Amino acid sequence: EADIYQTPRYLVIGTGKKITLECSQTMGHDKMYWYQQDPGMELHLIHYSYGVNSTEKGDLSSESTVSRIRTEHFPLTLESARPSHTSQYLCASSDPSSGGDEQYFGPGTRLTVT
Amino acid sequence: QKEVEQNSGPLSVPEGAIASLNCTYSDRVSQSFFWYRQYSGKSPELIMSIYSNGDKEDGRFTAQLNKASQYVSLLIRDSQPSDSATYLCAVYNRGSQGNLIFGKGTKLSVKP
Repeated sequence: EADIYQTPRYLVIGTGKKITLECSQTMGHDKMYWYQQDPGMELHLIHYSYGVNSTEKGDLSSESTVSRIRTEHFPLTLESARPSHTSQYLCASSDPSSGGDEQYFGPGTRLTVT
Repeated sequence: QKEVEQNSGPLSVPEGAIASLNCTYSDRVSQSFFWYRQYSGKSPELIMSIYSNGDKEDGRFTAQLNKASQYVSLLIRDSQPSDSATYLCAVYNRGSQGNLIFGKGTKLSVKP
């Protein structure tokens, strides 16, 4: 059973605001990911982390930033939200150290920027 | 460029039938293969993993892998309306920074 949490689940915010999307997992997984997905469209990897103090950019260019100060926590920040950032943001984790290649997803945050 | 290809569908099957979902991948050294189910507006949920050639069965689901043909499939027996979702194929190899490569998904509709 995967235990990965995201808050908030839904967020409506005005243009120009700074926002942080939270993601936490209780499984002790080293690797964590952020994906962006528009309705009915494919997943796009925007950030990932191999562990504490590691952050990497994904395949899709994103104006967001991430940090990894603790193993269990991988927040994503948008300094100045724009309507083009409206999307669903999905956090995931995996445990490569135990040979686990599969990723487990959180419930997602649906962001709307007005 | 490493790719995972799926027919976008929609694939429509009657209730009780077998649904067959297919996926091909381009990187011959891929090592692990996964199927995720994603309901509309929800996050992907892992339903099957397969690592070696052949079939793997779990309840009504069977994953099939043929590495020589670079082909992986998912069969859903006795399809139910609750199986209606988008099914994502994902492929792992250590050359992709250890990340999964996802297909675009096949939308399945099971008609009562």
